[in-house]
Amino acid sequence: EVQLVESGGGLVQPGGSLRLSCAASGFTFRNYWMNWVRQAPGKGLEWVANIKQDGSDKYYVDSVKGRFTISRDNAKNSLYLQMNSLRVEDTAVYYCARSVVVTVTRYFQHWGQGTLVTVSS
Amino acid sequence: DIQMTQSPSSLSASVGDRVTITCQASQDINNYLNWYQQKPGKAPKLLIYDASNLETGVPSRFSGSGSGTDFTFTINSLQPEDIATYYCQQRITFGQGTRLEIK
Repeated sequence: EVQLVESGGGLVQPGGSLRLSCAASGFTFRNYWMNWVRQAPGKGLEWVANIKQDGSDKYYVDSVKGRFTISRDNAKNSLYLQMNSLRVEDTAVYYCARSVVVTVTRYFQHWGQGTLVTVSS
Repeated sequence: DIQMTQSPSSLSASVGDRVTITCQASQDINNYLNWYQQKPGKAPKLLIYDASNLETGVPSRFSGSGSGTDFTFTINSLQPEDIATYYCQQRITFGQGTRLEIK
């Protein structure tokens, strides 16, 4: 059974940093593109970033470029999101998601339960 | 960037009703359109991929159709457990969501 378990969320002040983790199990982690998708309170889904199987390609939504860094450790079956210079508008539940990619992202087949990041003074 | 327009934003229906949600793309996306269900406090769940393919384990009352720019998601015989918000998705873009309530 595919399992994705996020951790690392919490309350942080504007301008602060946080590192999210996603522990993967039940599949061969190194074979899949992985993603972070977020959802602000009461709002819709927003894709944040993704990373290729070997970590060689990474993509970000414009609003987080230069502030967030996605990474992975295939030996530890783990995905990460380093979030710096956090803003109030980054407040959201952050989901780790495994995607199916054929040239481009096709769909998000498995999701974690999410971790809440709250940016507030 | 391709824009996705999903409608309606909310919908109220009775148990047993047939429910339809639409998603329109700003340009031809072939059949690369997917549908998700999100129950309150839970993660999204993939229901339909590539416009009309039912994900494993998803009840057959859920279906999808369409190609090009216009797509439809249907629930035949609405059940109480189907109360959720439904999203369409193409590549890295999600629709705005449709909140489905029981009348």
